[in-house]
Amino acid sequence: EPEVTQTPSHQVTQMGQEVILRCVPISNHLYFYWYRQILGQKVEFLVSFYNNEISEKSEIFDDQFSVERPDGSNFTLKIRSTKLEDSAMYFCASSEAQTGDYGYTFGSGTRLTVV
Amino acid sequence: QKEVEQDPGPLSVPEGAIVSLNCTYSNSAFQYFMWYRQYSRKGPELLMYTYSSGNKEDGRFTAQVDKSSKYISLFIRDSQPSDSATYLCAMNSNNDMRFGAGTRLTVKP
Repeated sequence: EPEVTQTPSHQVTQMGQEVILRCVPISNHLYFYWYRQILGQKVEFLVSFYNNEISEKSEIFDDQFSVERPDGSNFTLKIRSTKLEDSAMYFCASSEAQTGDYGYTFGSGTRLTVV
Repeated sequence: QKEVEQDPGPLSVPEGAIVSLNCTYSNSAFQYFMWYRQYSRKGPELLMYTYSSGNKEDGRFTAQVDKSSKYISLFIRDSQPSDSATYLCAMNSNNDMRFGAGTRLTVKP
């Protein structure tokens, strides 16, 4: 069964450093998403991406965050200057259709720890 | 009022019990309703997807949507220990899906 792949599974970084989280969405999907889940809290929407541009973003997705699809397969989330409160699980997801018909397929996540 | 409300539990039931999980929402623009299951330190996994009001059944799982009351439910029949996980309701209108807080379910053998 096709899956969304995320790397690394765990990233430890020092406060103020830049991190890049990587995702390979399902190959025939057109819509891509990043979500965040702080330990013990709900899954929160960060950003959606379609046709090489951001479609929607939440208030969490400030100037410290950026997304990119550098080639035909990867989808990345960059955090420019990490803060302690950025520590969370980051999930990438993809879907075939804008409305999420058939739902979104999520990766297993990257656990980001900022120290 | 939060957009999506879900009782976080925890909920503990004996094996074989019928489980009822619920969410309410405030945004009438939501059109698509989903239930995800999330095991510890894993990504959410889609269980059920519904569009309109009514019931949808898949094996031991039944999803119910009542748009007039802005209320959705997931029923699990003959619950198994392997059903122990966090269950997340989710809904969207365009392409930003909103999740409930998740209900942590434990099914005891």
